[in-house]
Amino acid sequence: GAVVSQHPSRVICKSGTSVKIECRSLDFQATTMFWYRQFPKKSLMLMATSNEGSKATYEQGVEKDKFLINHASLTLSTLTVTSAHPEDSSFYICSAPKPGASPYEQYFGPGTRLTVT
Amino acid sequence: KNQVEQSPQSLIILEGKNCTLQCNYTVSPFSNLRWYKQDTGRGPVSLTIMTFSENTKSNGRYTATLDADTKQSSLHITASQLSDSASYICVVSAGDSGYALNFGKGTSLLVTP
Repeated sequence: GAVVSQHPSRVICKSGTSVKIECRSLDFQATTMFWYRQFPKKSLMLMATSNEGSKATYEQGVEKDKFLINHASLTLSTLTVTSAHPEDSSFYICSAPKPGASPYEQYFGPGTRLTVT
Repeated sequence: KNQVEQSPQSLIILEGKNCTLQCNYTVSPFSNLRWYKQDTGRGPVSLTIMTFSENTKSNGRYTATLDADTKQSSLHITASQLSDSASYICVVSAGDSGYALNFGKGTSLLVTP
């Protein structure tokens, strides 16, 4: 089956620093990828839609200058949390739809646990 | 407003027993409904996907049903195992692309020996 990977799986950083999270589609090309954030015992919340070769589309309330998204290739999207603060600590998950899969199957990455101290 | 409501919020059952999780939704236009299993600290893994015309779909010990008229779905787990302990999330897609996902808050299932 299709696989989406994320790196790193866990990261701890100090307040004020920036952290980059990678999302890769391992056996298919993804022109679109999605980034979610999940707080403990809460639903996944869509942050942004990452489009290969163009600007990401951010959901209302998500600061585009704080959460930088780059989708430079058909298999890689990155999310950079800039000037991280403790309230940014969360579980970040990406997903990608596999072209041709039916119907509209999306594959989720394993997630990245970010802790800002 | 598109909403997905799941019940119960949490559930504890004995190993070997069956259980049924519920999902009610108000999502328009409806595209498809999915059930995901999410282990703690992991990404969601797809169990079933159903479109408007499908009433039931099985994946091993997991059977999902869909009533598009009443906008309800259920996930039935048969002969539960300890490894079934996880959060089960109902996700309803809207729109033509099916990419706009509406997530339920999940049902936390604990299977005990």
